[in-house]
Amino acid sequence: DTEVTQTPKHLVMGMTNKKSLKCEQHMGHRAMYWYKQKAKKPPELMFVYSYEKLSINESVPSRFSPECPNSSLLNLHLHALQPEDSALYLCASSIRQGAYEQYFGPGTRLTVT
Amino acid sequence: KQEVTQIPAALSVPEGENLVLNCSFTDSAIYNLQWFRQDPGKGLTSLLLIQSSQREQTSGRLNASLDKSSGRSTLYIAASQPGDSATYLCAVRTSGTYKYIFGTGTRLKVLA
Repeated sequence: DTEVTQTPKHLVMGMTNKKSLKCEQHMGHRAMYWYKQKAKKPPELMFVYSYEKLSINESVPSRFSPECPNSSLLNLHLHALQPEDSALYLCASSIRQGAYEQYFGPGTRLTVT
Repeated sequence: KQEVTQIPAALSVPEGENLVLNCSFTDSAIYNLQWFRQDPGKGLTSLLLIQSSQREQTSGRLNASLDKSSGRSTLYIAASQPGDSATYLCAVRTSGTYKYIFGTGTRLKVLA
């Protein structure tokens, strides 16, 4: 099973809402990633978790809060977002952090109103 | 700072044609390079991963080559099909970092 799943597929939220994005993989991968992709742009790395610990934070605003409760699950908690945060949020995983193939999920399309 | 460029930005070809997509990077000290395809509004599908010690990788109708010294990779698609229509992205992991830098992609349209 080489699948990374993400829920929900679409999310619309107001600027005062709190919501969460979920990502799951059952490939035994120990590195998981959050990316943000704006329309017609390449993905940009946000966070990396390695063995359930936050390894990299690419200077992401604190209104985005990642969490890795176990080796299969990655969450992204959202609070007080801005309209410019509307984007496709992609989750990925790899065997370990490093020079390994990354597998991506289908993404969550987020719209902030 | 690593910069990754993909040319052309868009490409239309008739079905059955063989084609080459290009990826250039400025820092040749890389761990690996990965090619992806992305359908509109969807996630990325991994196509091929080339480690820095490899010169090429093949999967079905796809062949990716890597020339580190010149900072280039090419993705060759044989006998293109309408189902190959998508955006193709290359991503480079530079030595000493854990971050993939993505190119801006080539939007491919294969006409039936």
